[in-house]
Amino acid sequence: QKEVEQNSGPLSVPEGAIASLNCTYSDRGSQSFFWYRQYSGKSPELIMFIYSNGDKEDGRFTAQLNKASQYVSLLIRDSQPSDSATYLCAGAGGTSYGKLTFGQGTILTVHP
Amino acid sequence: DADVTQTPRNRITKTGKRIMLECSQTKGHDRMYWYRQDPGLGLRLIYYSFDVKDINKGEISDGYSVSRQAQAKFSLSLESAIPNQTALYFCATSDPLRQGADTQYFGPGTRLTVL
Repeated sequence: QKEVEQNSGPLSVPEGAIASLNCTYSDRGSQSFFWYRQYSGKSPELIMFIYSNGDKEDGRFTAQLNKASQYVSLLIRDSQPSDSATYLCAGAGGTSYGKLTFGQGTILTVHP
Repeated sequence: DADVTQTPRNRITKTGKRIMLECSQTKGHDRMYWYRQDPGLGLRLIYYSFDVKDINKGEISDGYSVSRQAQAKFSLSLESAIPNQTALYFCATSDPLRQGADTQYFGPGTRLTVL
């Protein structure tokens, strides 16, 4: 079992809808979590990180963390075609001190 | 100018050749990482370095070696390239002293093809 698992996708949503991306992790010692966006052939870029239970909002993006359920999610409101990309979830801490453990990524397509 | 640069950006080489990928950063970060990315497999850690004198193997270090020449430079070598090392390679940095300490910042990547 991978330490960080993402819903396999691909995920397709209409423009203006909410896209929901999910991630589970197995290392209970993990302390912080990151969401990256990666366009095809480009490098990952940070969307946001979260380390406290609950929600964290940044513009159209909301990250949610539930440490009891070992679950992290990213909501994208008012999805735009420019949001079409691969989204990578990563965890840090625990057995991954100083490192990030990445999920395999979820491909999101926002269609007009 | 980009904070994390990688050279070359694209490279085609032949089986058995030695090749070096270079990474430089102007962010002043102590920690540097090398990843490879293959379709459907996400990012896999090859080597990482917490400072110039500290180098560690990642999950897939076989067939690779690294050199940390300075705080700002971290090179990845393939001693004898093989076709299954064809992949997209990324360098990344992080600063343990800032908020979101494990946040990593990625270079633009090197696309390597081994024929």
